[in-house]
Amino acid sequence: DIQMTQSPSSLSASVGDRVTITCQASQDISNYANWYQQKPGKAPKLLIYDASNLETGVPSRFSGSGSGTDFTFTISSLQPEDIAAYYCQQYDNLPYTFGQGTKLEIK
Amino acid sequence: EVQLVESGGGLVQPGGSLRLSCAASGFTFSDHYMDWVRQAPGKGLEWVGRSRNKANSYTTEYAASVKGRFTISRDDSKNSLYLQLNSLKTEDTAVYYCARDHANWGQGTLVTVSS
Repeated sequence: DIQMTQSPSSLSASVGDRVTITCQASQDISNYANWYQQKPGKAPKLLIYDASNLETGVPSRFSGSGSGTDFTFTISSLQPEDIAAYYCQQYDNLPYTFGQGTKLEIK
Repeated sequence: EVQLVESGGGLVQPGGSLRLSCAASGFTFSDHYMDWVRQAPGKGLEWVGRSRNKANSYTTEYAASVKGRFTISRDDSKNSLYLQLNSLKTEDTAVYYCARDHANWGQGTLVTVSS
């Protein structure tokens, strides 16, 4: 199985800060990576697909980059409503696997 | 609008069984692969399994942790996806989501395995 190593596991930042989360795959997954946002008690919401494509309706302050084994998710200017957990996922090979998650808090 | 609504969760004893349902609407269900994903309380996301579409012979795939105990099926005439959970263990306690194409998820249904 492909392992997705996500860091950090938690992050505290101020409104307006630039926030970066990374994910490393245990093998080359090309650009088959998603990023999700999950708020408490809610289903995950797809933000970024194919590593760098913004899902329809998602604010442009969210972005993704990377290919191969190294991926980055960025919030350019943190907003209060961005408080959530964020997960990367590979969908190159079954079983699809997720990173451990990053819990984002406001400082 | 794509809608996925899970049901069937509840409290079950270890070794017991449960059948989850996912009712789909707003798209041509028979055309799509469907996945089950679960999340244990306070934990991360775990892909459980997949049902491919009719064009791909409705074949299924499972995570190693559930293979041989869980069975995915679908009824395209009812726009419904199912997850049969057998030989349940306490570690199967989780919210179970059905999902389409990564972008569309249901609200989830909670399965609690406890004596």
